[in-house]
Amino acid sequence: AQTVTQSQPEMSVQEAETVTLSCTYDTSESDYYLFWYKQPPSRQMILVIRQEAYKQQNATENRFSVNFQKAAKSFSLKISDSQLGDAAMYFCAYRSAGYQLIWGAGTKLIIKP
Amino acid sequence: DSGVTQTPKHLITATGQRVTLRCSPRSGDLSVYWYQQSLDQGLQFLIQYYNGEERAKGNILERFSAQQFPDLHSELNLSSLELGDSALYFCASSPRDADYEQYFGPGTRLTVT
Repeated sequence: AQTVTQSQPEMSVQEAETVTLSCTYDTSESDYYLFWYKQPPSRQMILVIRQEAYKQQNATENRFSVNFQKAAKSFSLKISDSQLGDAAMYFCAYRSAGYQLIWGAGTKLIIKP
Repeated sequence: DSGVTQTPKHLITATGQRVTLRCSPRSGDLSVYWYQQSLDQGLQFLIQYYNGEERAKGNILERFSAQQFPDLHSELNLSSLELGDSALYFCASSPRDADYEQYFGPGTRLTVT
């Protein structure tokens, strides 16, 4: 069975600086998707970025980018120029062949002004 | 706003009772997923429907059941409620041409007292 691990329960960063959130996963599949979701205090689940396993190029969405290392089964999220609105829980998720998402435990990101 | 709606937003009920949570997917989406999020934890997949048919089942308790209706809205029924069922319940839907992406509703906060 696939598993997703986020080893950092909490991270903090100074406003305007860069922070990297870690995620590792375990799977025997070769084709899959990986996601980062943001959950602010409102509890809404917001898709931040997606990575297709068959693509070697790392995905980028504005200030958010990923470092996808398929062989190492690692999928980290880099947030550049951190803003106060980035404060939230961040969840890494894996989409299995069964379509449902498998989730990590989350990392709480604190932005220091 | 993801386009996925869930009602009610909050629900407070007593142990042993039964409740129904409702979800309307985004216009045109055929897939509906249900997830449970206990306090500050990752999401647990419960069940998926596609165009009225059950497609995948996760760790859904026998006390829980779901269905998707011809108009594609879905209901999650929780019965014989226990204190441990208190959680945030999310519904998500996927577009037909990009079923790897899931768009989440705002969730229903269930409190069992």
